[in-house]
Amino acid sequence: AQTVTQSQPEMSVQEAETVTLSCTYDTSESDYYLFWYKQPPSRQMILVIRQEAYKQQNATENRFSVNFQKAAKSFSLKISDSQLGDAAMYFCAYRRTGNQFYFGTGTSLTVIP
Amino acid sequence: DTAVSQTPKYLVTQMGNDKSIKCEQNLGHDTMYWYKQDSKKFLKIMFSYNNKELIINETVPNRFSPKSPDKAHLNLHINSLELGDSAVYFCASRQTSGGSGNEQFFGPGTRLTVL
Repeated sequence: AQTVTQSQPEMSVQEAETVTLSCTYDTSESDYYLFWYKQPPSRQMILVIRQEAYKQQNATENRFSVNFQKAAKSFSLKISDSQLGDAAMYFCAYRRTGNQFYFGTGTSLTVIP
Repeated sequence: DTAVSQTPKYLVTQMGNDKSIKCEQNLGHDTMYWYKQDSKKFLKIMFSYNNKELIINETVPNRFSPKSPDKAHLNLHINSLELGDSAVYFCASRQTSGGSGNEQFFGPGTRLTVL
């Protein structure tokens, strides 16, 4: 069974600093996709970044980047120059070939002014 | 311009009632999903339809019945509502062919409160 683990229920970061959210997953597949979603207090789920397992290069979207370690089955999210608007719940998600997504339990990020 | 829309956004009802939540996507996607997010924010998949065909049907009480009249719509009907059904229900869609990653696009959620 595929599982996604986010071991940090809560994290905090000073505004303008960098924070890393961790995610590990369990799979026997070699081809799959990984995602980070953000859920602010508005509760809208927003895609932050995605990574294809066959790509060795880590994905980057502006201030958001990932550290994808395929052998270790690790997919951490780094947020640089944190802003107040980054405060949200962050979910790591996994999808192998097929339609089912598996979500982690989320990390609540607080940004301290 | 809303990509995935859900109605209503809030639903307050009494135990035992029957209610429906509607979802529509204008992205031209071929696959739609229903998720339940509980009070601890855990997201659990309930159903998925691909081109109106049920492809994922997780362990969900049969009081929950999805219906997909066409690939742009996926509605959720709940019979005999119980207190434990209180949650936020999210609809999502994705395109299964082409592109990279084929991520899901989520609706704004429907907060269901059963009294």
